[in-house]
Amino acid sequence: RKEVEQDPGPFNVPEGATVAFNCTYSNSASQSFFWYRQDCRKEPKLLMSVYSSGNEDGRFTAQLNRASQYISLLIRDSKLSDSATYLCVVNDYKLSFGAGTTVTVRA
Amino acid sequence: DAMVIQNPRYQVTQFGKPVTLSCSQTLNHNVMYWYQQKSSQAPKLLFHYYDKDFNNEADTPDNFQSRRPNTSFCFLDIRSPGLGDAAMYLCATSRGDSGGYEQYFGPGTRLTVT
Repeated sequence: RKEVEQDPGPFNVPEGATVAFNCTYSNSASQSFFWYRQDCRKEPKLLMSVYSSGNEDGRFTAQLNRASQYISLLIRDSKLSDSATYLCVVNDYKLSFGAGTTVTVRA
Repeated sequence: DAMVIQNPRYQVTQFGKPVTLSCSQTLNHNVMYWYQQKSSQAPKLLFHYYDKDFNNEADTPDNFQSRRPNTSFCFLDIRSPGLGDAAMYLCATSRGDSGGYEQYFGPGTRLTVT
């Protein structure tokens, strides 16, 4: 079983829609969690850390469910510029990356 | 204000011809990482330096070596590139290697092997 698994998508949504997707992780001892955004042929960039109580940054909301070992990312009011691949990253004494979920926002 | 810089951005090398990729950082971070990323795959950690301490991943081929002459610079040497080594190579830095700290990535070097 992979350490971090994501639905690759793609999630195709119209502008203004809400899109949400999850990431599961295998190591229950994982300590910290992040969402990174990666545009085509570019480097990953930190989108947000994920805190135990859940956290929000503008239109982006991240949740952590330790019991079920998954984290989620929700994007409200999608913009064309949100089109990207979203990488789930889990710290289990080293960072483990998921392969990413692709989101395409259409006009 | 580039914080993690990688050179070159694109590198073409011949099968078996050694190649060196470079990374520099202005963040004064303790840890520097090298990742390999192939299309539609997760970045794969090759190795990292915590200061001068080198940490190799168990499944990193011997063909890949690294040097960190000082805090700011780190190099990835591929001694005999094969066609399967064509990929994006990402350098990243962080304050510490416990994983609790965010990693900041450079723009990557896209390596083509002919």
